[in-house]
Amino acid sequence: DSGVTQTPKHLITATGQRVTLRCSPRSGDLSVYWYQQSLDQGLQFLIQYYNGEERAKGNILERFSAQQFPDLHSELNLSSLELGDSALYFCASSLRSYNEQFFGPGTRLTVL
Amino acid sequence: SQQGEEDPQALSIQEGENATMNCSYKTSINNLQWYRQNSGRGLVHLILIRSNEREKHSGRLRVTLDTSKKSSSLLITASRAADTASYFCATFTGANSKLTFGKGITLSVRP
Repeated sequence: DSGVTQTPKHLITATGQRVTLRCSPRSGDLSVYWYQQSLDQGLQFLIQYYNGEERAKGNILERFSAQQFPDLHSELNLSSLELGDSALYFCASSLRSYNEQFFGPGTRLTVL
Repeated sequence: SQQGEEDPQALSIQEGENATMNCSYKTSINNLQWYRQNSGRGLVHLILIRSNEREKHSGRLRVTLDTSKKSSSLLITASRAADTASYFCATFTGANSKLTFGKGITLSVRP
């Protein structure tokens, strides 16, 4: 158990819909990262927050947004969903950017 | 774009044998990390090696780093069926403060 929790585990929705994925980092970790993993794209970094502020951005679509709250939990919002958004979404946390990251179990999103 | 490129893409060995996986990268790094992922699960951090280190050990794992060749290798000794997983190398560069993962190596250990 990494100490990082993600909800929900599975999410099935339709194209055009909006969903919110939630992540609670390991106790004491200030950085939260979001990743998308699919068979064709591999593991793609989406965005990083550090202590409530956006720190780094990766291949995140404009339809996606994220935030980190004062209690350090984070949410990833995916809107106007397309079939191609079906993937595993992972949250990870670390104390500092250069430290090892601890991954949550992931949310499997299926867009029908 | 992928910073770390693992090699080979897939590896199949017999239980008890050693498994060697390689990773090459393109730009200067602060550290390089190896992760394991069991099918459909979250990645698990295995080992971190800093740019000023050449070799590191953790249990049955041995990691080397050659910054002049921009490459790293992960050796798993006396492999077990439970080592069957995907292995990723990830490089951290201070310039963009993010960890960039390779595409991964699929390791199958036959009992």
